Amino acid sequence: DGGITQSPKYLFRKEGQNVTLSCEQNLNHDAMYWYRQDPGQGLRLIYYSQIVNDFQKGDIAEGYSVSREKKESFPLTVTSAQKNPTAFYLCASSAGGEQYFGPGTRLTVT
Amino acid sequence: QQQVKQSPQSLIVQKGGISIINCAYENTAFDYFPWYQQFPGKGPALLIAIRPDVSEKKEGRFTISFNKSAKQFSLHIMDSQPGDSATYFCAARSYNTDKLIFGTGTRLQVFP
Repeated sequence: DGGITQSPKYLFRKEGQNVTLSCEQNLNHDAMYWYRQDPGQGLRLIYYSQIVNDFQKGDIAEGYSVSREKKESFPLTVTSAQKNPTAFYLCASSAGGEQYFGPGTRLTVT
Repeated sequence: QQQVKQSPQSLIVQKGGISIINCAYENTAFDYFPWYQQFPGKGPALLIAIRPDVSEKKEGRFTISFNKSAKQFSLHIMDSQPGDSATYFCAARSYNTDKLIFGTGTRLQVFP
């Protein structure tokens, strides 16, 4: 099955803890992205990577970090510095401009 | 200039009717305009996309109309069905980046 997988589907953390969200793709896409979605808002870009070992900040990168050590993997760490981490996080990959999304991870921090 | 403005925020349509969602942009460097459909708790799915060299693209019941001079594009859903009830996002990409700029979304409800 080709596609993008995100795990886990639901994640609960206490305030002050770092948490890492997983994103894996087997589409052989070079570019990968992380978005955050809040109720009533569109998708906001956190980080993106166009090639292995390289990534750029998006519009709301503060409090987040990423790595891109393998083409198929692009994990996102939500650090304790992120003021409002509770959100729906979406990973995407693209080739030729068309972006395809994973199923998302809903993170709740209390 | 990087924004994509989407309207309406919500839309209620009777089954069999036409749903129309509009988007407008300012950046003339945008060269790719996709629409995504998202069901609650799921990731967005690419529905249909258009490039500015054509004024219309149709796939089944879904049509994108594109007006380059007005910098506007719209999604038309013909014969709307209850299964079309979802949130729809327009987006735009600049020719020199791989980043999509998303509209704020339209929640469509189709009643039987």
